[in-house]
Amino acid sequence: DAGVIQSPRHEVTEMGQEVTLRCKPISGHNSLFWYRQTMMRGLELLIYFNNNVPIDDSGMPEDRFSAKMPNASFSTLKIQPSEPRDSAVYFCASSRLIGVDTQYFGPGTRLTVL
Amino acid sequence: SQELEQSPQSLIVQEGKNLTINCTSSKTLYGLYWYKQKYGEGLIFLMMLQKGGEEKSHEKITAKLDEKKQQSSLHITASQPSHAGIYLCGAGGSQGNLIFGKGTKLSVKP
Repeated sequence: DAGVIQSPRHEVTEMGQEVTLRCKPISGHNSLFWYRQTMMRGLELLIYFNNNVPIDDSGMPEDRFSAKMPNASFSTLKIQPSEPRDSAVYFCASSRLIGVDTQYFGPGTRLTVL
Repeated sequence: SQELEQSPQSLIVQEGKNLTINCTSSKTLYGLYWYKQKYGEGLIFLMMLQKGGEEKSHEKITAKLDEKKQQSSLHITASQPSHAGIYLCGAGGSQGNLIFGKGTKLSVKP
C-alpha cells in the first residue's frame, strides 16, 4: 500500500495568495484528518471527515480555511488568503474507522507564507 | 477538554543507554498511541494501548499503560542513533479525533 499521499511536499507563497493542499488517504479508510504542526502549538487537529462528510471543523482557525472531501480518495485543504502565521507543516491522516483506531499519517506539506 | 503532558521535553542520551518517556493524561485514556517523527517527515505509528496494565514491545521499544489508564511510558533499551527523533503520544478524543502531547525530542549520541 502506498500510504497516505500528500502534495505538494513544500509550498512557498506570498501573503494574500491562495494555497491548496491535497491528500489521498489509504484505500479503504473511511476517516480522514487534517492536522497542523507548529513549534509553539504542537500538533493540532483542524478538521476531520467520516465517509466524506465533515464531522468536526472546530479546529479550523478562521474562515480563511476550508476543507473538502469530494470522494473517498481525495481531500483538499484551502487557505485563502494566506498569512505568514499560517506557516506550518500540515499533515493528513486516515484511519479505517472513526474512534479508537490507528491513524496513519502522510509525509506532510511544509507551508511557508512570506 | 483532555490534555496530554509529555516529559521530558527533550532528552540527550549516550548510545547504548536506556531511557523512558512519559505521557500523562488529565482524563482516563481510551486508546493511547505512540508515534515517532523524524524532522521534516510524517508520524510513524509505533504502538497502541487500550487496556489498563497493558504492555507492548516492538524490537527495543516497550510501551506500557498504567492500571488507572491515565499514564503511559515508552521505554527504549540500549538506544541507538536510529532511535533519535520526536516521540509523540496521542489519545483518542471523544469524537474519534486524536489529541497529541507536545512531544519529546530524543537525541542519541554515538
